Amino acid sequence: NAGVTQTPKFQVLKTGQSMTLQCAQDMNHNSMYWYRQDPGMGLRLIYYSASEGTTDKGEVPNGYNVSRLNKREFSLRLESAAPSQTSVYFCASSEVGDTYGYTFGSGTRLTVV
Amino acid sequence: QKEVEQDPGPLSVPEGAIVSLNCTYSNSAFQYFMWYRQYSRKGPELLMYTYSSGNKEDGRFTAQVDKSSKYISLFIRDSQPSDSATYLCAIGGRSRRALTFGSGTRLQVQP
Repeated sequence: NAGVTQTPKFQVLKTGQSMTLQCAQDMNHNSMYWYRQDPGMGLRLIYYSASEGTTDKGEVPNGYNVSRLNKREFSLRLESAAPSQTSVYFCASSEVGDTYGYTFGSGTRLTVV
Repeated sequence: QKEVEQDPGPLSVPEGAIVSLNCTYSNSAFQYFMWYRQYSRKGPELLMYTYSSGNKEDGRFTAQVDKSSKYISLFIRDSQPSDSATYLCAIGGRSRRALTFGSGTRLQVQP
């Protein structure tokens, strides 16, 4: 099925460890996004990529880095995980920017202990 | 002040009830208004998309936008237990190229 694929689905990290969350879409969308979702906080934008070759900070970028590897793939890296980064991470894509709806992946549940 | 405000609920209604979910926003430059539905432990999925003021209907769902009041609503008629989910409003269309989401309202439809 066409859509957005995120890996892994679950991850437990120790404080200070690093990891990369992977995201790939097969809808030929130009724009891709990383959000985190915490109870009572809704979806908060971490980074986005309006088109291949560009990335921009969102609302909560500290502690994260991203790579738009190609048009299909957009990865999120935690260099030194902290307990405050315990969250559910969602990747999304859209045709162009915020004038169209997003397609979301199924999420990655990350726990940092 | 948040750009988009949404009552978190939870909202509990009996099966068959009419449900009204609402969001307010602060910036009149927003042009695109969406509602997403998120089932437990799943990603959000686009439910309704509207542009400018007015109503849009899709089956049991109606999205309403009042740009003069900066107020958007989602109405669900004849609610079903399968409608139990969290509903998130989202707005976009400014120079920034990412949607801004409300915090979500959790809805429970009791059989």
